[in-house]
Amino acid sequence: AAGVIQSPRHLIKEKRETATLKCYPIPRHDTVYWYQQGPGQDPQFLISFYEKMQSDKGSIPDRFSAQQFSDYHSELNMSSLELGDSALYFCASSLPGQQETQYFGPGTRLLVL
Amino acid sequence: DAKTTQPTSMDCAEGRAANLPCNHSTISGNEYVYWYRQIHSQGPQYIIHGLKNNETNEMASLIITEDRKSSTLILPHATLRDTAVYYCIVRVTLNKLVFGAGTILRVKS
Repeated sequence: AAGVIQSPRHLIKEKRETATLKCYPIPRHDTVYWYQQGPGQDPQFLISFYEKMQSDKGSIPDRFSAQQFSDYHSELNMSSLELGDSALYFCASSLPGQQETQYFGPGTRLLVL
Repeated sequence: DAKTTQPTSMDCAEGRAANLPCNHSTISGNEYVYWYRQIHSQGPQYIIHGLKNNETNEMASLIITEDRKSSTLILPHATLRDTAVYYCIVRVTLNKLVFGAGTILRVKS
């Protein structure tokens, strides 16, 4: 079965650089969620999109922005990267009307040096 | 969303049932109980959810007490691949999942 695709899987950046993470939801899924998981921490919700509109917002820094495109894929843009942004970034998606069940991708591991 | 309390860690013998408890004494009437798990560095995986009735699927069973203040996730025949962090989440919002400190389940041969 198709799963959530995230790219890149690994990314290394310097401080103050920018990064763009991409997420391709499972076909027919219309809602996308982004989570951040720091080393040794639990996943923290960042932001979600439903039908290309932001549907909920969590502890996402102002330096980060995200959007969902007409094909339902989503991109998380991160600017002025800081050492503390080093983390696993997970994208999840859900079917229309079934937001209670989120399917997670394999994650993007971001390392900021 | 209501707060949940889970044991920090548990061990289970391979092939035996793993029973993972969760306390959610402040749960309100319209809040569901969800269970997800995360195998090391992989994305979290949905297991099961319920409101007040016991639920069973191909992965696990969920037993919710009559007063809904606690629940138990049961993996009937644990395998080494079930070693993971198990999160009990109580939520009413259909968007974000709020992950608290879950239970590290170690299945041992």
